[in-house]
Amino acid sequence: QKEVEQNSGPLSVPEGAIASLNCTYSDRGSQSFFWYRQYSGKSPELIMSIYSNGDKEDGRFTAQLNKASQYVSLLIRDSQPSDSATYLCAVYASGNTGKLIFGQGTTLQVKP
Amino acid sequence: GAGVSQSPSNKVTEKGKDVELRCDPISGHTALYWYRQRLGQGLEFLIYFQGNSAPDKSGLPSDRFSAERTGESVSTLTIQRTQQEDSAVYLCASSSPARANEQYFGPGTRLTVT
Repeated sequence: QKEVEQNSGPLSVPEGAIASLNCTYSDRGSQSFFWYRQYSGKSPELIMSIYSNGDKEDGRFTAQLNKASQYVSLLIRDSQPSDSATYLCAVYASGNTGKLIFGQGTTLQVKP
Repeated sequence: GAGVSQSPSNKVTEKGKDVELRCDPISGHTALYWYRQRLGQGLEFLIYFQGNSAPDKSGLPSDRFSAERTGESVSTLTIQRTQQEDSAVYLCASSSPARANEQYFGPGTRLTVT
């Protein structure tokens, strides 16, 4: 069973702080990793993709990947109340199945 | 450009009835995916279409679920003899050949079985 694990939270941070969201996965063959943001009652929105070990930065977001440790993280700098949402980690299953395996999501609350 | 569209946005049906959910992918996207999200849960893969290849139906939860796709366009997910446990948001996503692993989601159809 290929799994993606996230802490459900809620993770509460003050406005302006760095939010750190973590994810581990079991499929060692996975090569593609994604972070989606999902506001309450809305569909997931792709915010970051990462394919290589190391860091990838896009604006206030930084994705980090460590394939040896099977670990993916998302850092949100200068957190804003509008960042309050559920963040879903997704891993593209090995074997070219087309499947994204999703974690349960971490709820982030940014307090003004 | 236009994103993935789904219809209806909401559907309430009685237990035992059949329902059809529709998805229009982003123009030019050859791959199309259906997921299910129960309240407070993560996304559950249902089925994957890639071009004219046979679909990967491995995620369909029972033989009451089926899906079709016409070429590289519209897809329909059909649930026969609906049960209360089918109540969920059904999400469709599509991806382009150039960035095949990046899936973009539609707004979803919220299905309620009474």
